[in-house]
Amino acid sequence: SQQGEEDPQALSIQEGENATMNCSYKTSINNLQWYRQNSGRGLVHLILIRSNEREKHSGRLRVTLDTSKKSSSLLITASRAADTASYFCATDAGANSKLTFGKGITLSVRP
Amino acid sequence: AAGVIQSPRHLIKEKRETATLKCYPIPRHDTVYWYQQGPGQDPQFLISFYEKMQSDKGSIPDRFSAQQFSDYHSELNMSSLELGDSALYFCASSPGQGYWNEQFFGPGTRLTVL
Repeated sequence: SQQGEEDPQALSIQEGENATMNCSYKTSINNLQWYRQNSGRGLVHLILIRSNEREKHSGRLRVTLDTSKKSSSLLITASRAADTASYFCATDAGANSKLTFGKGITLSVRP
Repeated sequence: AAGVIQSPRHLIKEKRETATLKCYPIPRHDTVYWYQQGPGQDPQFLISFYEKMQSDKGSIPDRFSAQQFSDYHSELNMSSLELGDSALYFCASSPGQGYWNEQFFGPGTRLTVL
């Protein structure tokens, strides 16, 4: 079963706008991580938020975690064309830290 | 900073052939994970190793095997390849298995089975 499911599946915005992507999951987790993938290339780690944290910032990224709703959001502020990519949330729910990925969101930032 | 190295980056094989994918983790990372990402799909966990022992197993076919060596590099061996094995195979490493550890991914090996 899908652990992390992203919402929306695709997002198109203008450069300079903010992009918000949501992720829901089904079971208790240790942490949730967000990754970026450019066109079938490698997965770049963006940010990790632990289950006891509610919000985390890194540069233009802001991640929130609501364990009561089993959901997370990734906000990218002042988007740039270079932010165009697919974004995945991944949850770590077990003792061995394997990640369960969601389907991914395709973000297109128009110059 | 050193990253996870995977080789080869691209591999083309015929059905029923075998393939070996290699992964070199970030120095001092003792945990390696393998994931498979089919076209348009999300990455799926295959198998992981911690201190050279298998630590977890996901949806890995019996035709696949893997191991982690004394220098912590890992190899994924795939036999009797099928068309459906065509995918991007990622290796990730982390410094231990604690729940606070980030996983750093390599660039992937794109396997095409003809």
